[in-house]
Amino acid sequence: QKEVEQDPGPLSVPEGAIVSLNCTYSNSAFQYFMWYRQYSRKGPELLMYTYSSGNKEDGRFTAQVDKSSKYISLFIRDSQPSDSATYLCAMSQYNNNDMRFGAGTRLTVKP
Amino acid sequence: DSGVTQTPKHLITATGQRVTLRCSPRSGDLSVYWYQQSLDQGLQFLIQYYNGEERAKGNILERFSAQQFPDLHSELNLSSLELGDSALYFCASSASGTSGRQYFGPGTRLTVT
Repeated sequence: QKEVEQDPGPLSVPEGAIVSLNCTYSNSAFQYFMWYRQYSRKGPELLMYTYSSGNKEDGRFTAQVDKSSKYISLFIRDSQPSDSATYLCAMSQYNNNDMRFGAGTRLTVKP
Repeated sequence: DSGVTQTPKHLITATGQRVTLRCSPRSGDLSVYWYQQSLDQGLQFLIQYYNGEERAKGNILERFSAQQFPDLHSELNLSSLELGDSALYFCASSASGTSGRQYFGPGTRLTVT
């Protein structure tokens, strides 16, 4: 079993839809949870950064962390074609620099 | 633009050769991280340097080495290259010594033939 599991998709939605992306993990020591967006052949771009459990909202993006279930989510509201990319979840332990990434979910938003 | 720069963008070389990838972190960032991204392995953490010193090691092969210079730029050296080393190599930087918020460069695409 991988330490971080993420469904690679692909996921295709119509413009304006609400997108839900998820990751599960097995290491209960993870404290920092991140979501990165990666366009084709580009470097990952940090979208959301959260510490421990709870919700965080930034514009159309909402990140949720449920440590009791070892489950994190990213919601994208009013999705746009420009949101088409691969979304990677990432997590690390406190004071540990070995960040573990999910496999990434490829999202396509159709106009 | 993340502020992290990497050179070269593309590199094509033969098996058995040695190459050097270069990374300049964002202004003010002290930590540099190196990652390898391949289709079958995803994004894998290789090594981290903080203010010139090695801070953490991940799945880095013995044929690979890195260093961070006084001006904080970093180089990743890959030697005795094999076909399986073909991948995207990313550098990321952060302000602190803990992983936290990392900002990625555009990557170097290495092709070993």
